[in-house]
Amino acid sequence: QQQVKQSPQSLIVQKGGISIINCAYENTAFDYFPWYQQFPGKGPALLIAIRPDVSEKKEGRFTISFNKSAKQFSLHIMDSQPGDSATYFCAALGGATNKLIFGTGTLLAVQP
Amino acid sequence: EPEVTQTPSHQVTQMGQEVILRCVPISNHLYFYWYRQILGQKVEFLVSFYNNEISEKSEIFDDQFSVERPDGSNFTLKIRSTKLEDSAMYFCASSETEVVAGNTIYFGEGSWLTVV
Repeated sequence: QQQVKQSPQSLIVQKGGISIINCAYENTAFDYFPWYQQFPGKGPALLIAIRPDVSEKKEGRFTISFNKSAKQFSLHIMDSQPGDSATYFCAALGGATNKLIFGTGTLLAVQP
Repeated sequence: EPEVTQTPSHQVTQMGQEVILRCVPISNHLYFYWYRQILGQKVEFLVSFYNNEISEKSEIFDDQFSVERPDGSNFTLKIRSTKLEDSAMYFCASSETEVVAGNTIYFGEGSWLTVV
């Protein structure tokens, strides 16, 4: 019940296209859902995060869509650029804990 | 922008040896964490630390592991007797307040540990 399932494992998108990464969770106590971007040899960096009281959050080209009833959330990267090529992790946290539960990661490659 | 710094960036150690990984969290942060990432796998929580004591730990964080804040700036992870399966990237992280409050957790660039 502590797992966060992420798909796809890898994704290839053409420059200018839309990248979509999906995550699903089971623990209804989760109430904070961040997305992290990780470049090779670097630590995860917070990209955008959402709480379940809203269904969508947009920051620049990055949008999180959240479906509380389905217990799913997704990251959309609009106008994908080669510089977006990285590994993306969804995560979840909630209840009386500071422990982030990470998804398995999606390796995104944006082709020029 | 303030950042979490970690040393060493890479360490190779013999199986059974003790290893200490060091971290300098962001200066006004009060919550400190260690996570690890085995090559090609997801990031996993190890331990959180607040007010000079462990506030939460995972099942991975067994008696071989310990954390310490020896002074006002450093936060260390000690692995007492390393095993081959301890080979991983270890990330230190910190947050100003509890992450449950929506506060951002900042990760360092990691210390890559190779046990041979």
